[in-house]
Amino acid sequence: SQQGEEDPQALSIQEGENATMNCSYKTSINNLQWYRQNSGRGLVHLILIRSNEREKHSGRLRVTLDTSKKSSSLLITASRAADTASYFCATDAWSGGYQKVTFGTGTKLQVIP
Amino acid sequence: NAGVTQTPKFQVLKTGQSMTLQCAQDMNHEYMSWYRQDPGMGLRLIHYSVGAGITDQGEVPNGYNVSRSTTEDFPLRLLSAAPSQTSVYFCASSPTGTGYSEQYFGPGTRLTVT
Repeated sequence: SQQGEEDPQALSIQEGENATMNCSYKTSINNLQWYRQNSGRGLVHLILIRSNEREKHSGRLRVTLDTSKKSSSLLITASRAADTASYFCATDAWSGGYQKVTFGTGTKLQVIP
Repeated sequence: NAGVTQTPKFQVLKTGQSMTLQCAQDMNHEYMSWYRQDPGMGLRLIHYSVGAGITDQGEVPNGYNVSRSTTEDFPLRLLSAAPSQTSVYFCASSPTGTGYSEQYFGPGTRLTVT
Protein backbone atom coordinates (compact mmCIF):
# COMPACT_ATOMS: atom_id res chain seq x y z
CA SER A 1 0.00 0.00 0.00
CA GLN A 2 1.08 3.60 -0.49
CA GLN A 3 3.12 5.34 2.19
CA GLY A 4 1.05 8.44 1.56
CA GLU A 5 -2.64 8.02 0.97
CA GLU A 6 -4.88 10.95 0.31
CA ASP A 7 -8.55 11.24 0.97
CA PRO A 8 -10.94 11.94 -0.42
CA GLN A 9 -10.00 10.50 -3.80
CA ALA A 10 -12.19 13.12 -5.47
CA LEU A 11 -13.73 16.37 -4.28
CA SER A 12 -16.10 18.73 -6.04
CA ILE A 13 -16.86 22.17 -4.61
CA GLN A 14 -18.23 25.53 -5.68
CA GLU A 15 -15.92 28.42 -6.36
CA GLY A 16 -15.32 30.42 -3.19
CA GLU A 17 -15.66 27.41 -0.87
CA ASN A 18 -12.76 25.91 1.04
CA ALA A 19 -11.27 22.57 0.02
CA THR A 20 -9.65 20.23 2.52
CA MET A 21 -7.74 17.11 1.60
CA ASN A 22 -5.93 14.74 3.89
CA CYS A 23 -2.85 12.57 3.69
CA SER A 24 -1.99 9.66 5.95
CA TYR A 25 1.31 7.85 6.04
CA LYS A 26 2.73 4.83 7.79
CA THR A 27 6.35 5.35 8.80
CA SER A 28 8.33 8.16 10.40
CA ILE A 29 9.17 10.95 8.01
CA ASN A 30 11.65 13.80 7.67
CA ASN A 31 9.38 16.09 5.67
CA LEU A 32 6.08 16.13 3.88
CA GLN A 33 5.39 18.02 0.70
CA TRP A 34 2.26 18.81 -1.29
CA TYR A 35 2.22 19.01 -5.07
CA ARG A 36 -0.40 20.00 -7.63
CA GLN A 37 -0.83 18.41 -11.03
CA ASN A 38 -2.95 19.97 -13.71
CA SER A 39 -4.39 17.55 -16.23
CA GLY A 40 -1.72 16.28 -18.60
CA ARG A 41 1.07 18.24 -16.95
CA GLY A 42 3.94 17.62 -14.57
CA LEU A 43 3.72 18.16 -10.82
CA VAL A 44 4.27 21.56 -9.30
CA HIS A 45 5.54 21.96 -5.76
CA LEU A 46 3.20 23.81 -3.39
CA ILE A 47 4.60 23.61 0.10
CA LEU A 48 7.01 21.65 2.30
CA ILE A 49 6.48 21.09 6.00
CA ARG A 50 9.21 19.65 8.18
CA SER A 51 8.56 16.97 10.75
CA ASN A 52 9.12 19.44 13.61
CA GLU A 53 6.56 21.91 12.24
CA ARG A 54 2.86 21.73 12.93
CA GLU A 55 1.41 24.27 10.54
CA LYS A 56 2.52 26.25 7.54
CA HIS A 57 0.85 28.86 5.35
CA SER A 58 1.47 29.97 1.81
CA GLY A 59 -1.05 32.37 0.31
CA ARG A 60 -4.41 30.59 0.28
CA LEU A 61 -2.82 27.31 1.33
CA ARG A 62 -2.64 26.03 4.87
CA VAL A 63 -0.90 22.76 5.67
CA THR A 64 -0.96 20.99 9.01
CA LEU A 65 1.11 18.05 10.13
CA ASP A 66 0.35 15.75 13.04
CA THR A 67 3.24 13.32 13.41
CA SER A 68 1.54 11.50 16.30
CA LYS A 69 -1.34 10.61 13.99
CA LYS A 70 0.90 10.34 10.92
CA SER A 71 -1.35 12.64 8.97
CA SER A 72 -1.35 15.96 7.16
CA SER A 73 -4.04 18.14 5.71
CA LEU A 74 -4.03 20.70 2.93
CA LEU A 75 -6.61 23.46 3.08
CA ILE A 76 -7.23 25.70 0.09
CA THR A 77 -9.30 28.71 1.08
CA ALA A 78 -11.60 30.70 -1.22
CA SER A 79 -11.13 28.22 -4.03
CA ARG A 80 -11.01 29.30 -7.67
CA ALA A 81 -11.74 27.43 -10.87
CA ALA A 82 -7.99 27.52 -11.56
CA ASP A 83 -7.44 25.34 -8.47
CA THR A 84 -9.00 22.42 -10.35
CA ALA A 85 -6.23 19.82 -10.37
CA SER A 86 -4.99 16.69 -8.63
CA TYR A 87 -3.15 17.16 -5.36
CA PHE A 88 -0.51 14.78 -4.08
CA CYS A 89 1.31 14.49 -0.80
CA ALA A 90 4.86 13.22 -0.81
CA THR A 91 6.64 11.89 2.24
CA ASP A 92 10.32 11.18 2.58
CA ALA A 93 12.20 8.82 4.82
CA TRP A 94 15.51 7.04 4.82
CA SER A 95 15.10 3.58 3.36
CA GLY A 96 17.78 1.12 2.30
CA GLY A 97 20.48 3.79 2.38
CA TYR A 98 18.75 6.45 0.34
CA GLN A 99 16.19 9.12 0.93
CA LYS A 100 13.03 7.65 -0.45
CA VAL A 101 10.26 9.99 -1.51
CA THR A 102 6.86 8.34 -1.76
CA PHE A 103 3.88 9.94 -3.44
CA GLY A 104 0.29 9.23 -2.55
CA THR A 105 -2.41 8.40 -5.07
CA GLY A 106 -3.79 11.93 -5.05
CA THR A 107 -7.02 13.84 -4.53
CA LYS A 108 -8.76 15.07 -7.66
CA LEU A 109 -10.28 18.49 -6.93
CA GLN A 110 -12.90 20.07 -9.15
CA VAL A 111 -13.87 23.67 -8.49
CA ILE A 112 -17.10 24.61 -10.21
CA PRO A 113 -17.35 28.25 -11.32
CA ASN B 1 15.73 28.91 -17.70
CA ALA B 2 13.97 26.08 -19.51
CA GLY B 3 13.73 24.10 -16.24
CA VAL B 4 13.31 20.36 -16.77
CA THR B 5 12.70 19.27 -20.33
CA GLN B 6 11.67 15.83 -21.54
CA THR B 7 11.53 14.34 -25.00
CA PRO B 8 9.58 12.89 -26.64
CA LYS B 9 6.14 13.95 -25.39
CA PHE B 10 4.46 10.86 -26.80
CA GLN B 11 5.83 7.52 -27.94
CA VAL B 12 4.34 4.25 -29.15
CA LEU B 13 6.54 1.16 -29.06
CA LYS B 14 6.05 -2.45 -30.01
CA THR B 15 6.82 -5.12 -27.45
CA GLY B 16 10.53 -5.89 -27.45
CA GLN B 17 11.67 -2.56 -28.88
CA SER B 18 14.11 -0.40 -26.97
CA MET B 19 14.24 3.34 -26.62
CA THR B 20 15.64 6.17 -24.55
CA LEU B 21 13.58 8.85 -22.84
CA GLN B 22 15.55 12.05 -22.62
CA CYS B 23 15.63 14.40 -19.63
CA ALA B 24 17.65 17.57 -19.22
CA GLN B 25 17.73 20.37 -16.66
CA ASP B 26 19.52 23.72 -16.75
CA MET B 27 19.34 24.59 -13.05
CA ASN B 28 22.59 22.86 -12.05
CA HIS B 29 20.67 20.51 -9.75
CA GLU B 30 22.54 17.57 -8.28
CA TYR B 31 19.55 15.29 -7.75
CA MET B 32 17.56 13.88 -10.64
CA SER B 33 14.89 11.20 -10.60
CA TRP B 34 12.64 9.24 -12.91
CA TYR B 35 9.09 8.36 -11.93
CA ARG B 36 6.28 6.55 -13.62
CA GLN B 37 2.65 7.45 -13.04
CA ASP B 38 -0.06 4.88 -13.51
CA PRO B 39 -3.78 5.46 -12.90
CA GLY B 40 -4.62 5.08 -9.22
CA MET B 41 -1.00 4.38 -8.27
CA GLY B 42 0.51 7.81 -7.67
CA LEU B 43 4.13 8.28 -8.76
CA ARG B 44 6.64 5.50 -8.28
CA LEU B 45 10.38 6.06 -8.29
CA ILE B 46 12.27 4.13 -10.99
CA HIS B 47 15.87 5.36 -10.67
CA TYR B 48 17.55 8.37 -9.21
CA SER B 49 20.93 10.08 -9.29
CA VAL B 50 22.67 12.15 -6.62
CA GLY B 51 25.22 13.60 -9.02
CA ALA B 52 27.14 12.97 -12.23
CA GLY B 53 28.37 9.40 -12.31
CA ILE B 54 26.20 8.24 -9.40
CA THR B 55 22.89 6.46 -9.87
CA ASP B 56 20.81 4.05 -7.83
CA GLN B 57 17.61 2.07 -8.05
CA GLY B 58 14.28 3.22 -6.80
CA GLU B 59 11.11 1.29 -6.14
CA VAL B 60 10.44 -0.16 -9.62
CA PRO B 61 13.77 -0.36 -11.50
CA ASN B 62 13.30 -3.60 -13.45
CA GLY B 63 13.39 -3.15 -17.21
CA TYR B 64 15.01 0.29 -17.04
CA ASN B 65 18.59 1.55 -17.13
CA VAL B 66 19.98 4.99 -16.40
CA SER B 67 23.30 6.77 -16.56
CA ARG B 68 24.41 10.26 -15.54
CA SER B 69 27.48 11.40 -17.42
CA THR B 70 26.75 15.12 -16.95
CA THR B 71 24.92 17.18 -14.34
CA GLU B 72 22.40 18.29 -16.97
CA ASP B 73 21.25 15.01 -18.54
CA PHE B 74 19.63 11.91 -17.10
CA PRO B 75 18.33 9.58 -19.83
CA LEU B 76 16.12 6.59 -19.07
CA ARG B 77 16.55 3.52 -21.26
CA LEU B 78 13.92 0.87 -21.80
CA LEU B 79 15.80 -2.25 -22.72
CA SER B 80 13.00 -4.40 -24.15
CA ALA B 81 9.62 -2.71 -23.91
CA ALA B 82 6.70 -4.60 -22.40
CA PRO B 83 2.99 -3.64 -22.24
CA SER B 84 3.40 -3.29 -18.44
CA GLN B 85 5.64 -0.30 -19.13
CA THR B 86 2.78 1.65 -20.67
CA SER B 87 2.69 4.70 -18.43
CA VAL B 88 3.44 8.39 -18.13
CA TYR B 89 7.07 9.02 -17.24
CA PHE B 90 8.22 12.07 -15.33
CA CYS B 91 11.73 13.31 -14.78
CA ALA B 92 12.41 15.55 -11.80
CA SER B 93 15.36 17.43 -10.38
CA SER B 94 16.13 19.11 -7.08
CA PRO B 95 19.11 21.06 -5.74
CA THR B 96 19.58 18.87 -2.66
CA GLY B 97 18.09 15.67 -1.26
CA THR B 98 14.67 15.08 -2.72
CA GLY B 99 12.94 15.35 0.61
CA TYR B 100 14.64 18.51 1.77
CA SER B 101 13.78 20.67 -1.15
CA GLU B 102 11.17 20.88 -3.82
CA GLN B 103 11.42 18.79 -6.90
CA TYR B 104 11.00 20.37 -10.31
CA PHE B 105 9.13 18.14 -12.73
CA GLY B 106 9.28 17.90 -16.47
CA PRO B 107 6.08 17.81 -18.56
CA GLY B 108 6.14 14.02 -18.92
CA THR B 109 6.41 11.43 -21.67
CA ARG B 110 3.32 9.35 -22.42
CA LEU B 111 4.49 5.90 -23.49
CA THR B 112 2.29 3.19 -24.98
CA VAL B 113 3.66 -0.30 -25.57
CA THR B 114 1.56 -2.52 -27.83
